[in-house]
Amino acid sequence: AQSVTQLDSQVPVFEEAPVELRCNYSSSVSVYLFWYVQYPNQGLQLLLKYLSGSTLVKGINGFEAEFNKSQTSFHLRKPSVHISDTAEYFCAVSANSGGSNYKLTFGKGTLLTVNP
Amino acid sequence: SQTIHQWPATLVQPVGSPLSLECTVEGTSNPNLYWYRQAAGRGLQLLFYSVGIGQISSEVPQNLSASRPQDRQFILSSKKLLLSDSGFYLCAWSQGTGTEKLFFGSGTQLSVL
Repeated sequence: AQSVTQLDSQVPVFEEAPVELRCNYSSSVSVYLFWYVQYPNQGLQLLLKYLSGSTLVKGINGFEAEFNKSQTSFHLRKPSVHISDTAEYFCAVSANSGGSNYKLTFGKGTLLTVNP
Repeated sequence: SQTIHQWPATLVQPVGSPLSLECTVEGTSNPNLYWYRQAAGRGLQLLFYSVGIGQISSEVPQNLSASRPQDRQFILSSKKLLLSDSGFYLCAWSQGTGTEKLFFGSGTQLSVL
């Protein structure tokens, strides 16, 4: 079974500052990794994903994340945030079992608040 | 293009009443369908998933059930709601063998009073 830990439940930052949202996972098999964003009262949208290949993944809205297998981490970063980035961010993992896999395990989420 | 519809957006129900939440997907065939529940501070919990008509897998034992009467329709039900059923319910779909990318509906905020 897989698990995901998002170390910060809330991250307040000022506009145009850099931000890092931390995510660690545990799994006995290789994994796929995801970051989703949820704006208030809406569903989730995929920001970026790591399936294989380059460990640095670029997503929408200027976000990027780096897969670090030795540290079992997949931290999300943005060099300069905007007010519109205020949202809840979820890290998620699914097993790369080589066959069908239907279970995506989510972290508890990190609320990013960007202040002017 | 594919779209996912989920309704209602909000629902207030008394304890002991029945529940029916509906989700439909357009623009694709044979999608994998999912119901998630989001409780405050607890992230998203997978409740059910379906890989085909009439095929339902339950992830956690609970007061809820799911059905897939048509290829692109997924229904979440309960015969008698509990207070603990309150939460934000999200339907999602994916294509292919698994969860490479999930597309989420806009969610239903359920309050059981």
